[in-house]
Amino acid sequence: GENVEQHPSTLSVQEGDSAVIKCTYSDSASNYFPWYKQELGKRPQLIIDIRSNVGEKKDQRIAVTLNKTAKHFSLHITETQPEDSAVYFCAVVSAAGNKLTFGGGTRVLVKP
Amino acid sequence: DTGVSQDPRHKITKRGQNVTFRCDPISEHNRLYWYRQTLGQGPEFLTYFQNEAQLEKSRLLSDRFSAERPKGSFSTLEIQRTEQGDSAMYLCASSLTGGDTEAFFGQGTRLTVV
Repeated sequence: GENVEQHPSTLSVQEGDSAVIKCTYSDSASNYFPWYKQELGKRPQLIIDIRSNVGEKKDQRIAVTLNKTAKHFSLHITETQPEDSAVYFCAVVSAAGNKLTFGGGTRVLVKP
Repeated sequence: DTGVSQDPRHKITKRGQNVTFRCDPISEHNRLYWYRQTLGQGPEFLTYFQNEAQLEKSRLLSDRFSAERPKGSFSTLEIQRTEQGDSAMYLCASSLTGGDTEAFFGQGTRLTVV
């Protein structure tokens, strides 16, 4: 089955700095790569996603890049703010699996 | 509220008891997923339905777990003879047909087995 590795597990940044989270996956047939944000005690919510026919996608302060050859994708958050503090999960959907396989999560702390 | 709703939000049960959780997906969503999340971990896939058909069940899921979606709308997840290791947050999600569409999560049911 699909295996998703996420790094780092924790990330502390100063407000205004950038944060980068990286994920690798194992199934080369994977075709959909969403990122979820989960605040303490709340449900995971989609913040951005990318499909396999696209290399990069940006939405305001967040962006995702995908390298299909290397089977990795990354989340970039620029100009971080305290409200960006949360746990972020990458996920992968393979063409065959039709389900989300999640990474282990990255706890991001933005220090004011 | 047009989001995914789960009931109950919290459940405390004694070891060996059976528990049942309910999930109401977004009404037009054909696909429904169950995940389990323990502290500090990512959601772990349990099973999913396309309408009323259960299409996949995790190999990690013991026979004590069963899920149904009898009319293709709400779903139930039952855990029989609960064990302390079953303590976790149980998340339900729904999406339109196709794995490459956004999955919307419910608030989850937190199970504590004592």
